[in-house]
Amino acid sequence: ETGVTQSPTHLIKTRGQQVTLRCSSQSGHNTVSWYQQALGQGPQFIFQYYREEENGRGNFPPRFSGLQFPNYSSELNVNALELDDSALYLCASSLQLAGGEQYFGPGTRLTVT
Amino acid sequence: GNSVTQMEGPVTLSEEAFLTINCTYTATGYPSLFWYVQYPGEGLQLLLKATKADDKGSNKGFEATYRKETTSFHLEKGSVQVSDSAVYFCALISNFGNEKLTFGTGTRLTIIP
Repeated sequence: ETGVTQSPTHLIKTRGQQVTLRCSSQSGHNTVSWYQQALGQGPQFIFQYYREEENGRGNFPPRFSGLQFPNYSSELNVNALELDDSALYLCASSLQLAGGEQYFGPGTRLTVT
Repeated sequence: GNSVTQMEGPVTLSEEAFLTINCTYTATGYPSLFWYVQYPGEGLQLLLKATKADDKGSNKGFEATYRKETTSFHLEKGSVQVSDSAVYFCALISNFGNEKLTFGTGTRLTIIP
């Protein structure tokens, strides 16, 4: 059974640029959630995708957007990067309505300069 | 809204000491409760969970009991090891709306040989 994978591992961008992060969910899972973890903080929910539709969104501006594909993999896009977007971005996959257990990938470390 | 409060860290203990990390929560309805662990440079790993009142989750010598009357889910281990050094996050999923995790701020645990 393949776990959750994310790419790239690390990324350095300049303020104002755009970035796309990718996530492959665990086999058999139909839901992907994205979280932002700032240094020294707990992860904050960005949004969730279930069967290719957004299924809830946290307190993040519209420049954070996402996609889920038919194979349940997902992308997180961030436009007009700001310095405060520097963080670890975590993807988690789960099976909807199966008790809420989410399995996390290793994360993508984004640095905005 | 939902929230999770963890005891402030960092926590430093000697090997074989008893560990307690406090966690209390505020949530609508009857949430499921989780402890996740994050080892240095890694993503989050599910440590244990409990889905209803008085349930006890356990794994790798760690235990936590879902206490509805005190809205708590304290993490305990009888004898810690150096390999337990990590950041521990308490989290919940509400049974209303989407299955998003709400995390505490994390407690950094360091075990000294």
